[in-house]
Amino acid sequence: DTAVSQTPKYLVTQMGNDKSIKCEQNLGHDTMYWYKQDSKKFLKIMFSYNNKELIINETVPNRFSPKSPDKAHLNLHINSLELGDSAVYFCASSQGVGSEAFFGQGTRLTVV
Amino acid sequence: SQKIEQNSEALNIQEGKTATLTCNYTNYSPAYLQWYRQDPGRGPVFLLLIRENEKEKRKERLKVTFDTTLKQSLFHITASQPADSATYLCAAGAGSYQLTFGKGTKLSVIP
Repeated sequence: DTAVSQTPKYLVTQMGNDKSIKCEQNLGHDTMYWYKQDSKKFLKIMFSYNNKELIINETVPNRFSPKSPDKAHLNLHINSLELGDSAVYFCASSQGVGSEAFFGQGTRLTVV
Repeated sequence: SQKIEQNSEALNIQEGKTATLTCNYTNYSPAYLQWYRQDPGRGPVFLLLIRENEKEKRKERLKVTFDTTLKQSLFHITASQPADSATYLCAAGAGSYQLTFGKGTKLSVIP
């Protein structure tokens, strides 16, 4: 059983489109995250949710909107996709401050 | 702004030797540091956590140190094997849910 699973694994889309990435964790964790890893492999946090409430919202364009329907799910919706949005997006979860984070396998988004 | 720096982008080492990776932090006083391993096309996998009041942690062939005076963590892999080849990420946290990652060091263990 995969602990943190995200879909799709690959996403190729045209500029201007709207797309969503889904994430689910079966670890019973309270906190979920979205990270972006750019072409230089730098992993940067975008959002964090704790018990379905937004607790971290780094400086990302408001075209990115996270949604957490329940504690086990955190989806990422992106409007009006731009070329610069091309990256690998990772979902992660953890239990408590300072706990290890469990990452999904990533979604490689390519905007053409 | 707070920075986590892994000075070596890449490190090549002979099989059987000890690999030492460095993580420095500036403008920051992390309460803990974590180390992750990332293989190509995969998400990071947690390896070790060390808190600011701990000097050293070990797990099998892995050892991590935390020096708050030097503002540095060292990550060691002893008796390195080709299977240890991967990118290793340092991450720091300070009492919140946010982890700040370094850019990683790509380790290649040569047979």
